[in-house]
Amino acid sequence: QVHLQESGPGLVRSSQTLSLTCTVSDGSIGTGGYYWSWIRQHPGQGLEWIGYIYYTGSTYYNASLKSRLSISVDTSKNQFSLNLTSVTAADTALYYCARAQTPVVFDIWGQGTMVTVSS
Amino acid sequence: DIQMTQSPSTLSASVGDRVTITCRASQNINTWLAWYQQKPGKAPKLLISRSSTSEGGVPSRFSGSGSGTEFTLTISSLQPDDFATYYCQHGWTFGQGTKVEI
Repeated sequence: QVHLQESGPGLVRSSQTLSLTCTVSDGSIGTGGYYWSWIRQHPGQGLEWIGYIYYTGSTYYNASLKSRLSISVDTSKNQFSLNLTSVTAADTALYYCARAQTPVVFDIWGQGTMVTVSS
Repeated sequence: DIQMTQSPSTLSASVGDRVTITCRASQNINTWLAWYQQKPGKAPKLLISRSSTSEGGVPSRFSGSGSGTEFTLTISSLQPDDFATYYCQHGWTFGQGTKVEI
């Protein structure tokens, strides 16, 4: 069973860059057919898809975050990463990495990591 | 963009109740709809894909139905472990969630 694990700082200063990494284990990120995604959940709120990367490096981002967002992949490390620039308190959320199949269903999720943006 | 709307937002029920959650799409999505269960402090768990296909290990009391723009998730006899928040999802969009509480 593929396992996903998020890692990164839990506290980020306002206007700085939020960087998270998702490590994939017991499976290869280079296996085609999967879209390696980031999803976030604001405290007490619903789920917001952030974006995905395919193992080839192609990406697709939520339009509302596109100008600040970058997702990259390192197949040699079996990891993919999220960079969100110019963060504000509105970016405080629980961030999940997840695997999506087509048609889109998120079948495997990481446990999530809480990121707080402080002023 | 296709919008997904769930109702109700909160549902109060008792153990043994039959529970139905509705999800409506703003456009025809055929049967491309999934349902997730999220318990406090946990990641969402995929329950049902393609409107009615249950994932392995999902109790048979959970069932999904619908096509086009209207979908339902039914729990035939609510169990204590089922008190959670449920989300529908199509493409890259989630519904706002339905909290099932006592």
